[in-house]
Amino acid sequence: QSALTQPASVSGSPGQSITFSCTGTSSDIGTYNYVSWYQQRPGKAPKLMIYDVSNRPSGVSNRFSGSKSGNTASLTISGLQAEDEADYYCTSYTSTTSYVFGTGTRVTVL
Amino acid sequence: EVQLVESGGGLVQPGGSLRVSCAASGFTFRNYWMHWVRQAPGKGLVWVSRISSDGSRTLYADSVKGRFTISRDNAKDTLYLQMNSLRAEDTAVYYCARETAARFDLWGQGTLVTVSS
Repeated sequence: QSALTQPASVSGSPGQSITFSCTGTSSDIGTYNYVSWYQQRPGKAPKLMIYDVSNRPSGVSNRFSGSKSGNTASLTISGLQAEDEADYYCTSYTSTTSYVFGTGTRVTVL
Repeated sequence: EVQLVESGGGLVQPGGSLRVSCAASGFTFRNYWMHWVRQAPGKGLVWVSRISSDGSRTLYADSVKGRFTISRDNAKDTLYLQMNSLRAEDTAVYYCARETAARFDLWGQGTLVTVSS
């Protein structure tokens, strides 16, 4: 199972909105609505930010939103803040009943 | 407190073996499927293995199949990963993660495994 494809880096100024993608195949994102997103700060464990494509766990800011179209999922961060600077990984359930992670996107706040 | 705490990482020679553990607390461990996810230094997250809540079903990534074994002791609220025939490319931080309805909603802090001579 190959990793889902994400852009290596995305940047934005405080207050701006950024959106980045996570591209898979018909064996994962294209078939299942089990796409989740994780934030990872340096030296820390990943933190769940979005699940089931577009749902936020309690405690996660509503500035984070997710969507999906075909084989591609997307994460949008609105009102970008300095604390949003981190690595972000998508993941999807797959047809082999396993999971596959994305390659990761580093978000930089300018 | 709801938490997962990994232990057992360290330095091991190529071809060697190591077992890492993940102690769960603050929730009913036996009700959840559990996973191992690893991250090589400076690299991304990679799914490694998962085990059903009762331990009867397991699944592995192709890269570790036949070398790693996931198991659990629900009486001790502990998850294990036995790693044999270790290679340099297995060097990584190993995280355990709790699965809730196809999402990883609780992670441990990770334990570093270094395979080197």
